[in-house]
Amino acid sequence: GENVEQHPSTLSVQEGDSAVIKCTYSDSASNYFPWYKQELGKRPQLIIDIRSNVGEKKDQRIAVTLNKTAKHFSLHITETQPEDSAVYFCAASSSNTGKLIFGQGTTLQVKP
Amino acid sequence: DVKVTQSSRYLVKRTGEKVFLECVQDMDHENMFWYRQDPGLGLRLIYFSYDVKMKEKGDIPEGYSVSREKKERFSLILESASTNQTSMYLCASTSHRDEKLFFGSGTQLSVL
Repeated sequence: GENVEQHPSTLSVQEGDSAVIKCTYSDSASNYFPWYKQELGKRPQLIIDIRSNVGEKKDQRIAVTLNKTAKHFSLHITETQPEDSAVYFCAASSSNTGKLIFGQGTTLQVKP
Repeated sequence: DVKVTQSSRYLVKRTGEKVFLECVQDMDHENMFWYRQDPGLGLRLIYFSYDVKMKEKGDIPEGYSVSREKKERFSLILESASTNQTSMYLCASTSHRDEKLFFGSGTQLSVL
């Protein structure tokens, strides 16, 4: 079945710096790659997603890139702010199964 | 806004007890999911359902069962709770037309 590996497990940056979180997936049939943000004590919420027919997608300070050949995708956050501090999860699914499989999560700390 | 409601925020049970975790969504979503969240392991899929009375095993179904008698309700059942089932349980739903997951606020289950 699908397996998603996420790195790093923790990431600490200074406010204003960029943060990058990387994920790899195993199932070449995967075609949908969302990112979820979970603030402390709250439920995960979708922040951005990308499909396999697109290499990059951007929404204000966040962007996601996808390399289908290497089977990895990354989340980029620019000009980080303290409110970006949270746990971030990548995930992958294929239309064949409909299952969304998550990575292990990255705890991002943005220091003021 | 989509509302996914989990019946309990915190639950304490004894080893061997039968435990029911309830989830209700109000957006007529076809798909519903149960995940458990453990530090360092991310969100792991237990069971999911594409429609009423349908269920599919996720990656860690052992020790769990599910019930979907009505479209809006998806129940997770621990037949005989064990201490290694102490965890945060998250319910989620989505429609066939959109892969965006909407999560409930979670149930923190402690099995003593």
